[in-house]
Amino acid sequence: DQQVKQNSPSLSVQEGRISILNCDYTNSMFDYFLWYKKYPAEGPTFLISISSIKDKNEDGRFTVFLNKSAKHLSLHIVPSQPGDSAVYFCAASAWGSGTYKYIFGTGTRLKVLA
Amino acid sequence: NAGVTQTPKFQVLKTGQSMTLQCAQDMNHEYMSWYRQDPGMGLRLIHYSVGAGITDQGEVPNGYNVSRSTTEDFPLRLLSAAPSQTSVYFCASSFTEQGNTEAFFGQGTRLTVV
Repeated sequence: DQQVKQNSPSLSVQEGRISILNCDYTNSMFDYFLWYKKYPAEGPTFLISISSIKDKNEDGRFTVFLNKSAKHLSLHIVPSQPGDSAVYFCAASAWGSGTYKYIFGTGTRLKVLA
Repeated sequence: NAGVTQTPKFQVLKTGQSMTLQCAQDMNHEYMSWYRQDPGMGLRLIHYSVGAGITDQGEVPNGYNVSRSTTEDFPLRLLSAAPSQTSVYFCASSFTEQGNTEAFFGQGTRLTVV
């Protein structure tokens, strides 16, 4: 059972427009949510995170919104640039067995068209 | 700083063979982990370590062993390779584990078991 879901496997957006990547989760005990970006043949790199007690976190062109009642978060990229083309993973963390553990979504491939 | 270094980048094994995937980090991070990435499955935690001498199982530990004799190294051992272990393996490290801590990933090892 997938606790963290990214239902859109891919997304195409024009350069300069907004990219919205979505993530749904089922476990209300998650404490934090994180977004990672992954280029081909590289490991994921951290992008932005949000605490479960917040509803928005912003870092430059990247903003993450959290809707706890809907168990939904989204990553907004404004404006989108061709270099943003990558796979984006949503992750959620929960405390257990003495440490935090992470559950990752399946990823969304973003393509920004020039 | 090299960050997180994984070797080898590619490996083909025959069913039943054993091998060790190497992971080293030079950031003095306490927390290290191994993930596997499979199509449609996201990143799944295999084993993790909160410090030298301390390891524990993640979500999919069967068929894998780990040890952590130093802070820097966290090798993953496949005991008797099976085709189901064909995957891309990522090692990650972070300074602590607070739930929203940025993890640094290696470039990955693409393993094929025939």
